[in-house]
Amino acid sequence: GENVEQHPSTLSVQEGDSAVIKCTYSDSASNYFPWYKQELGKGPQLIIDIRSNVGEKKDQRIAVTLNKTAKHFSLHITETQPEDSAVYFCAAGGYSTLTFGKGTMLLVSP
Amino acid sequence: DGGITQSPKYLFRKEGQNVTLSCEQNLNHDAMYWYRQDPGQGLRLIYYSQIVNDFQKGDIAEGYSVSREKKESFPLTVTSAQKNPTAFYLCASSLDRDGGEKLFFGSGTQLSVL
Repeated sequence: GENVEQHPSTLSVQEGDSAVIKCTYSDSASNYFPWYKQELGKGPQLIIDIRSNVGEKKDQRIAVTLNKTAKHFSLHITETQPEDSAVYFCAAGGYSTLTFGKGTMLLVSP
Repeated sequence: DGGITQSPKYLFRKEGQNVTLSCEQNLNHDAMYWYRQDPGQGLRLIYYSQIVNDFQKGDIAEGYSVSREKKESFPLTVTSAQKNPTAFYLCASSLDRDGGEKLFFGSGTQLSVL
């Protein structure tokens, strides 16, 4: 089955800095790579996703890059704001169920 | 408003007791899922259902049971066989039964053991 590793487990940045979270996956059949944001006591919400036929996707301050050869993908958040503080999960799948990473707690200090 | 509703928000289980967590969706999605979330462990799949009257075990199905009698509903029962049930339980749905589509999550149920 699929195995997803996510790093770092915690990330502290100053407001306005950039944040990068990285994930690796094991199954070359995976073709769908979403990122979810979870605020305390709530369910995760999709913030961006990418499919294996593209290498990069942007949505305002958020971008995701995918390297299929190396089996890794990354989330990039620019100009971070305190409201970006949350737990972020990557996932991989697309032919069956999704497998999630263990999450990254992002703390953005004013 | 369309979405996924989980209830209750908090639930307490006594020793040897079965408890049922409710999940209802009005998104007309085919597939529904139950995940368990423990601190620092990410989301682990318990059960999923791609169509009414059919469901599949996920990675950690032992001690849990589900039913899918209606498209809108996918209740999860935590049985007495689940020895460590304390966790945050998340229900999700997706439009596509074959995967590869985004998941919509409910707001979760926190289950604790008395």
